[in-house]
Amino acid sequence: RKEVEQDPGPFNVPEGATVAFNCTYSNSASQSFFWYRQDCRKEPKLLMSVYSSGNEDGRFTAQLNRASQYISLLIRDSKLSDSATYLCVVGISGGSYIPTFGRGTSLIVHP
Amino acid sequence: DAGVIQSPRHEVTEMGQEVTLRCKPISGHNSLFWYRQTMMRGLELLIYFNNNVPIDDSGMPEDRFSAKMPNASFSTLKIQPSEPRDSAVYFCASSLRQAATDTQYFGPGTRLTVL
Repeated sequence: RKEVEQDPGPFNVPEGATVAFNCTYSNSASQSFFWYRQDCRKEPKLLMSVYSSGNEDGRFTAQLNRASQYISLLIRDSKLSDSATYLCVVGISGGSYIPTFGRGTSLIVHP
Repeated sequence: DAGVIQSPRHEVTEMGQEVTLRCKPISGHNSLFWYRQTMMRGLELLIYFNNNVPIDDSGMPEDRFSAKMPNASFSTLKIQPSEPRDSAVYFCASSLRQAATDTQYFGPGTRLTVL
């Protein structure tokens, strides 16, 4: 089983739709969780951190479920500009920080 | 404020040649990461440094790969000799501290093609 798994998609949705991605992780010692966004032929950029209590940033909501070992990203009212690949990142601390990236989920928002 | 700087942005070379990729992290950042991204394997961590010291190089594919960080503002990733399977986008990233909660800031990447 891979350490961090994501559905590669693509998720093809119309503008205005709500879409959700999940990411599962295998190491129960994981302590930090992030969602990064990567546009085509560009570098990954932090979208948002994921906190234990869940957090929201505008149209984006991130949730963490430690019991089931997954994190989720919900995008409401999708925009064309949301089209990108969304990478899940899981980190393990304890002496050294080892970040593991998922393969990413591709989102295509169409008119 | 300048972000992470990488050079060259594109490199095309022939099998067997030495390739050197360069990275300048964000000033004041203490941790530096080298990644490789391919369609097949996604984004893989190759090595990371904290305060210029290599902490984990378990992701380095083989002895053909080496990385150095002689000072806080410069790092290199060298491939010698290069092979076609090394073709990928190589990203450098930096973060303020070696902390699990720190954001990583990525450079624009070097797109390497080995013929």
